[in-house]
Amino acid sequence: AQSVTQLDSQVPVFEEAPVELRCNYSSSVSVYLFWYVQYPNQGLQLLLKYLSGSTLVKGINGFEAEFNKSQTSFHLRKPSVHISDTAEYFCAVRPQGDYKLSFGAGTTVTVRA
Amino acid sequence: DTAVSQTPKYLVTQMGNDKSIKCEQNLGHDTMYWYKQDSKKFLKIMFSYNNKELIINETVPNRFSPKSPDKAHLNLHINSLELGDSAVYFCASSQGRGAGNTIYFGEGSWLTVV
Repeated sequence: AQSVTQLDSQVPVFEEAPVELRCNYSSSVSVYLFWYVQYPNQGLQLLLKYLSGSTLVKGINGFEAEFNKSQTSFHLRKPSVHISDTAEYFCAVRPQGDYKLSFGAGTTVTVRA
Repeated sequence: DTAVSQTPKYLVTQMGNDKSIKCEQNLGHDTMYWYKQDSKKFLKIMFSYNNKELIINETVPNRFSPKSPDKAHLNLHINSLELGDSAVYFCASSQGRGAGNTIYFGEGSWLTVV
């Protein structure tokens, strides 16, 4: 079985400041890792994913994430946020060879001017 | 063109009613899912079908019944609706389960039971 822990439930941040959203996971097998974003009253959109290879993954809208196997973490970062980045962010894991995607509880990012 | 589309987007209904949410994907994927997002925004898988065959069936009440008439469609029927069924239901799809097979989500169906 696998589980995902997002360490921050809410992250307020000022516009143009950097942001980091923390995600830790546990699994008895190798996993693929994902970050999804949910804008207010919308569906889930994939930001980025880690499958293999380079541990630094770049996604859409200027986001990137780093996979750290020893710490079982997959933290999401953006060097400078915009008001439009206000959203709910979900970290998710899927065991390799499995269909099931398991989500963390989400982190609410609120960007203020 | 919407890749994963679900209808209706909003649904308000009374307790005890039966309702259905429809989902269609035009991505050519062979696997479809239903996820439930509760009031605390927690997302949990309910069902998954691969080539019309049920492959994931999490612990949900029997009142919830998925139906997949073909690979491109996965509908969710809910009998005898209860207040606790109020949630956002997301349909999703993917191509198999191998590396790089991202799961794509629909826009969600907001169900309110009164």
